[in-house]
Order: sequence, then structure tokens, then C-alpha cells
Amino acid sequence: RKEVEQDPGPFNVPEGATVAFNCTYSNSASQSFFWYRQDCRKEPKLLMSVYSSGNEDGRFTAQLNRASQYISLLIRDSKLSDSATYLCAASNTGGFKTIFGAGTRLFVKA
Amino acid sequence: ETGVTQSPTHLIKTRGQQVTLRCSSQSGHNTVSWYQQALGQGPQFIFQYYREEENGRGNFPPRFSGLQFPNYSSELNVNALELDDSALYLCASSSRIDRTDTQYFGPGTRLTVL
Repeated sequence: RKEVEQDPGPFNVPEGATVAFNCTYSNSASQSFFWYRQDCRKEPKLLMSVYSSGNEDGRFTAQLNRASQYISLLIRDSKLSDSATYLCAASNTGGFKTIFGAGTRLFVKA
Repeated sequence: ETGVTQSPTHLIKTRGQQVTLRCSSQSGHNTVSWYQQALGQGPQFIFQYYREEENGRGNFPPRFSGLQFPNYSSELNVNALELDDSALYLCASSSRIDRTDTQYFGPGTRLTVL
């Protein structure tokens, strides 16, 4: 079993839709969690850090459920520019090792 | 932009050769992590350097080695290249000073092994 697992998708949604991604992690010692966005052939860019139960940044909301060991990302009012691969990551205490999921592809269509 | 730079941008090598990739961390960051990302996969953790010492390693063979310099820049060395080493190599810098482990990635080096 992979340490961090994501549904690879692709998710195909119309503009304006709300879409949710889930990510599960197996290492209960994981302390910090992240969502990154990666465009084709580019580096991952930090979208959100999730240190407690969750946080919100504009159209994006991330939630953490430690009991069930999953992280979610909700995107509201999807834009064409949201089309990308979304990576979730979990790191242990002190960030000695950060493990990434394989990513979820999102296509937002007009 | 994150301020993390990598060189070279692209590289083509043949099987059995050796390669050195370079990374300059973001100003104020003292930790550098290296990742390998194959096509269609997430980044795979290779190792992390903090205070010029390896501080955590993923499931990669010893022919993957690295260095960190006093200015916190870092090198990734790969010996005896194999075809499967073809990938995007990413470095990410972070700061232990403020106890966060948020990592910021450089643009990557795309390595092709023929």
C-alpha cells in the first residue's frame, strides 16, 4: 500500500462547478499536510498547508481528518485556469521526509 | 517565483554515465530535499540535506548521493546511470528555523538517459 494515495482521475468538470479531491495517508506519525498544484511539465507549486483541522483560502478549502487519516481539497466555482494536477503530501515531524501522492488530474471545461 | 533555482534545465546522458545536478535554495532556507518525478507519477523523495548532512533518505540506491554546501546550495549526483533514471529531478527548499516544513520547489532538471 502506498503511503499517500489519491484518486488519479481525471475529473472533468464544467466552469463554475464545485469539485472535491480526497487523499489518504497511512503513516499515523504524519504531522503536516500539503496540497500542491502542478501544471504540465512544471514544478509543483504550493497551494495550501494543512496543519490543523483545515483551512480556507478563497475558493479553496482543505480539511484534515486525523482519525480517518485523510485530507480533502474542495474547489468552488471552478475556473478554466484551475485545470492542473493536484498533489497531496504528508510529512513527518520536522519535515524529515515528505511523501507525495501520484496526483489527481482536473480538467475544467467551458 | 519561489527563489529556488536549478541547473541545468535539461540534460541528456547515456547509460553508465554520471551526472551532477545543482540547486540553490531560497534565501533564508537551510534545508534542501531532492525528488525524482517520473512521467505520470508524484515526486518520489530521494533525500534531504540539513546543515551539510544527509538527514533522511528515501528508497534510492547508494549511487544517488548528494552534498550541501555552507551557503545551503546542494548537488545531486547519480552514478552509473540507468534508463529508468530518466525523470524530472526537483529540489525543494525549506526552513527549520521557523519550524515549518513547507517546501518550495525549483523548476527542475529534466534528465534523459539514452
